[in-house]
Parts: sequence; C-alpha cells; structure tokens
Amino acid sequence: SQQGEEDPQALSIQEGENATMNCSYKTSINNLQWYRQNSGRGLVHLILIRSNEREKHSGRLRVTLDTSKKSSSLLITASRAADTASYFCATADRGSTLGRLYFGRGTQLTVWP
Amino acid sequence: DADVTQTPRNRITKTGKRIMLECSQTKGHDRMYWYRQDPGLGLRLIYYSFDVKDINKGEISDGYSVSRQAQAKFSLSLESAIPNQTALYFCATRGNGDYGYTFGSGTRLTVV
Repeated sequence: SQQGEEDPQALSIQEGENATMNCSYKTSINNLQWYRQNSGRGLVHLILIRSNEREKHSGRLRVTLDTSKKSSSLLITASRAADTASYFCATADRGSTLGRLYFGRGTQLTVWP
Repeated sequence: DADVTQTPRNRITKTGKRIMLECSQTKGHDRMYWYRQDPGLGLRLIYYSFDVKDINKGEISDGYSVSRQAQAKFSLSLESAIPNQTALYFCATRGNGDYGYTFGSGTRLTVV
C-alpha cells in the first residue's frame, strides 16, 4: 500500500499537554500534508511540508519530516478540548502530475478538559 | 457559501437503486476527486479528474461512475447500489502547485 500510516491510532491527553502524532510512508514523496477531521465532517487541511523541508510551524502546530526514514510527526502544543478530532497524514508521490493524495487511517485525538 | 458543496448530506437508499451524489465548487480548481471513508480504513480514492476531458479511476472504482459536467461540477453515481457501498463520501478539489485539498462536508450514504 502507498498509504501513510499514523501512530498511535488513538491518543488521550489533558488540556495543556502536548500531543504528538507520527506518520510513516513507503514511497518517494513530493510533499506530505496533515489534515484534521471533526466527527462526521469533511477534512480540513492543516499544513503541508515539502520533501526538501525538515520542519514547519503554523500557530500551535509543528511538523517535521525525515525523508531518510520516510516519517513525519505532527506536534500540537498546549492542546485544547477543541483540538479533539481525527488527524490524517497524506502523501503526494514524487513525479505525480495529477496531485492525488494517499491518506493514512488517522489518529483519534481526545483532549480532556 | 461553502467552497465545495456536496448534496445530499444524508441519503438512505435500497439495494439495486441508482443514486447520484453531486459536488460543486467555487474555487476555480481543475482537479477534483471523489473519496470514500470507512471506519478503520481511512480514505480511499474512487475517481479523480484533471479537467473536464480527463477522468481517471482510483483504487476502488468498481461499482461507481462519474461525470465531470463542467469545471465546477463532478458527480458520482452508483448504478446499482449494494450494502457494502454504505460509507461516508467526500468530494475534494485542488489547485495547481503544492496545495492541500479542499474537502466538502461529505455525503453519508446508507444502502439497505
């Protein structure tokens, strides 16, 4: 499968703690993206990191990419109850011109107040 | 109005019926996609379209067909619905370059 795989499948933390989710993939990529999905809703794009980038920040989000290990991590700092959602990584293959993404199965994050 | 609109939001249909799920977008994007989401399986690509003249099968196209009526409209049809097509269906669009997808809110389809 070309899908990314998130780890852990489920994560439960208290408000104020940091949440770290990992993603591993198998192919050479052009970029890797993280999405968030609230229960039963559409996915929302959070952040994109290109294959020549190692780290990227957006607000309370920090994404790292290690192409030698074919892995990425998403860190949410100072988590809030509103961060409760499923988080998916998605990869865009190098050389693909049609921009199709391969999604992992997601990490379910629960943040307790 | 939402950038990507899917209709209907929810649908219950009987086995063997034909059903169409519609997607329209105001983003002006050329690329449009239909995904299916099942619990524990993540999102799987059904069909995708580069422009109105280009339609491509994804990993799970059997039992589905699509129509790209215009740049802004991409419809998914189930010619003869079966219960294992019960799922959450998402339409997504993407512009040129390295950008993320914009997803619709989804259609929850139940085939009984």
